[in-house]
Amino acid sequence: ETGVTQTPRHLVMGMTNKKSLKCEQHLGHNAMYWYKQSAKKPLELMFVYSLEERVENNSVPSRFSPECPNSSHLFLHLHTLQPEDSALYLCASSQDRLTRLDTQYFGPGTRLTVL
Amino acid sequence: LAKTTQPISMDSYEGQEVNITCSHNNIATNDYITWYQQFPSQGPRFIIQGYKTKVTNEVASLFIPADRKSSTLSLPRVSLSDTAVYYCLVGGTSGTYKYIFGTGTRLKVLA
Repeated sequence: ETGVTQTPRHLVMGMTNKKSLKCEQHLGHNAMYWYKQSAKKPLELMFVYSLEERVENNSVPSRFSPECPNSSHLFLHLHTLQPEDSALYLCASSQDRLTRLDTQYFGPGTRLTVL
Repeated sequence: LAKTTQPISMDSYEGQEVNITCSHNNIATNDYITWYQQFPSQGPRFIIQGYKTKVTNEVASLFIPADRKSSTLSLPRVSLSDTAVYYCLVGGTSGTYKYIFGTGTRLKVLA
C-alpha cells in the first residue's frame, strides 16, 4: 500500500462513452500527477497539479480532462476516446518541496480498454 | 532533466548481486539521482535516491562516482520477486515537474 488509491482498477468503454478515473492520496502531499503507460512504452507524464493548480499539461488531447478539487483528490474525465488510448493510467503524488526531485508515490493504476 | 541511458534488459540468477548502470552525462549541479522499480500492471515504486558517493538502504545501494556522470544501482542477492523494470531518473532543479522515466531496464531473475 502506497497511500494512493485509484478507482476503478479496470474499465472498458466505448468510443462514445464518458467516464471518469478517480485518484485519492492519504499522504498529505501537495502535488498530484497523471501518467499514461501504453504497452511496452515508457510512462508519459500527462498532467501535474500543485496545490490544486494545474502546473503541467504535456500536450494531452482535449478528450482527457483533469480535475483537482482539493489536494487529496484527482480526477481524469474521459470522453470520445480512441482505441489507441487504451493503456494503464497511473496517478501519483509527492510532497512538492520544489528543492529536490520529489519522491513520487504511485497508485495501482486503472487499466483502460477502449473498444 | 538530464537524459539517462540504461541497458534495455538484464538477466540474473537467484542469489546473485545485480548492478544496473545508468549514464547521465548532462547531469546538473543541483540534480539528484533516483531509482524506481515497477512490476507488471503496477505503478513504479521508489527504491533509492542519492547525490554523490554511496547511499544504502534496506533494499539497495546506489553508487555515484565523483564526476556524477553515471550511477549504479546494486541489488544484493536478488530473488525471483525482484523481476521488474528499473528506472533511473535524474533531476531536482527547483520548480520542475518533468519526470522522464525513459524505457528503464527490464531485469529478469531466473531460478
